[in-house]
Amino acid sequence: AQRVTQPEKLLSVFKGAPVELKCNYSYSGSPELFWYVQYSRQRLQLLLRHISRESIKGFTADLNKGETSFHLKKPFAQEEDSAMYYCALGLGDSWGKLQFGAGTQVVVTP
Amino acid sequence: EAQVTQNPRYLITVTGKKLTVTCSQNMNHEYMSWYRQDPGLGLRQIYYSMNVEVTDKGDVPEGYKVSRKEKRNFPLILESPSPNQTSLYFCASRKVGVNEQYFGPGTRLTVT
Repeated sequence: AQRVTQPEKLLSVFKGAPVELKCNYSYSGSPELFWYVQYSRQRLQLLLRHISRESIKGFTADLNKGETSFHLKKPFAQEEDSAMYYCALGLGDSWGKLQFGAGTQVVVTP
Repeated sequence: EAQVTQNPRYLITVTGKKLTVTCSQNMNHEYMSWYRQDPGLGLRQIYYSMNVEVTDKGDVPEGYKVSRKEKRNFPLILESPSPNQTSLYFCASRKVGVNEQYFGPGTRLTVT
């Protein structure tokens, strides 16, 4: 069965320090991975997708099929990065849904 | 402005009193979904719809109903709400062939 695991419920980092949010998945098909972010009192919004291999707000994520991981990284955390981050697995059109991890709350302190 | 809207944003109700949460999107998306967000559990899909009159159960459909009579609207119906349905609910839509989902602002429901 498909599953997304985010092992850290809470990550507390200092401003300027590197931050890495872990995400592991299990899926027998060809995975499509995403990172969504939810700032306080706001809706979820797409941060990154593995297909585009882009860097948004200084964040990057690389899909490692061997380790079935899609960790999110930023070399220098900023206070505005404080938010809830969700890793999500796209299951294709026949399913019509995303499988979300439990989320990681990031708190960046000055 | 392209968006997904939900109403109401906040709702406090009592056990057993039927309620409907509306969801509307103006992007002509085929797919629409409902999720509930609970601490420690992330987002779990309740129901989804692949087009008008085509709906299917997600991971946690018990106690919920949906309908898709028009492409833009996908209401979530709780016929007899119970306290375990207290949660934050999100509607989302996406276009066929594109896995990116657009989320509504959320509806915080409390059932006492």
